[in-house]
Amino acid sequence: GQNIDQPTEMTATEGAIVQINCTYQTSGFNGLFWYQQHAGEAPTFLSYNVLDGLEEKGRFSSFLSRSKGYSYLLLKELQMKDSASYLCAVRKDSNYQLIWGAGTKLIIKP
Amino acid sequence: ETGVTQTPRHLVMGMTNKKSLKCEQHLGHNAMYWYKQSAKKPLELMFVYSLEERVENNSVPSRFSPECPNSSHLFLHLHTLQPEDSALYLCASSQDFSGAKETQYFGPGTRLLVL
Repeated sequence: GQNIDQPTEMTATEGAIVQINCTYQTSGFNGLFWYQQHAGEAPTFLSYNVLDGLEEKGRFSSFLSRSKGYSYLLLKELQMKDSASYLCAVRKDSNYQLIWGAGTKLIIKP
Repeated sequence: ETGVTQTPRHLVMGMTNKKSLKCEQHLGHNAMYWYKQSAKKPLELMFVYSLEERVENNSVPSRFSPECPNSSHLFLHLHTLQPEDSALYLCASSQDFSGAKETQYFGPGTRLLVL
């Protein structure tokens, strides 16, 4: 079957670094997405990885290892506004279908 | 960010009511989607439209009826819903519906409560 696993909830401190992991088991792979969703708001696109390695975008970076079926989202210099849910999604072939994880709720404490 | 808008934002309805959810995208995209988001569960894809034609109907009960009159508007008509249908209903759009890097852009959702 198709499966995406993420931790349900994580807590981190303002100014620190946090890594949110995502593991996947799918019958194909054609890219992995990370989205951020604040409570009551739309999920917003953060990153897309299709090749192994690290993609950096300001305070946020996303890493992919296709051989391990593993990705992580790294958030640096955490701010209170980073408190949100982070959704991992895998596209397993060339069409629109995304397989979604249940999301990781990140709580930032002062 | 007002690329994809949804109305209403909140809806309470009884099981015998009929209501409609509306989605509008201002991004010039060709594909639109309806998702259901329940607490602590992955997003569930319900319907996909590409250029106003339905390309996916993911075994959704007939009490949910989509309508796509043009590439900018998408509706979800609701009738005789069940309490377990209470969830956040998200609309999304993308430039096209195929292509590995196609990114979906979401609206803020309609929070639905069925009593």
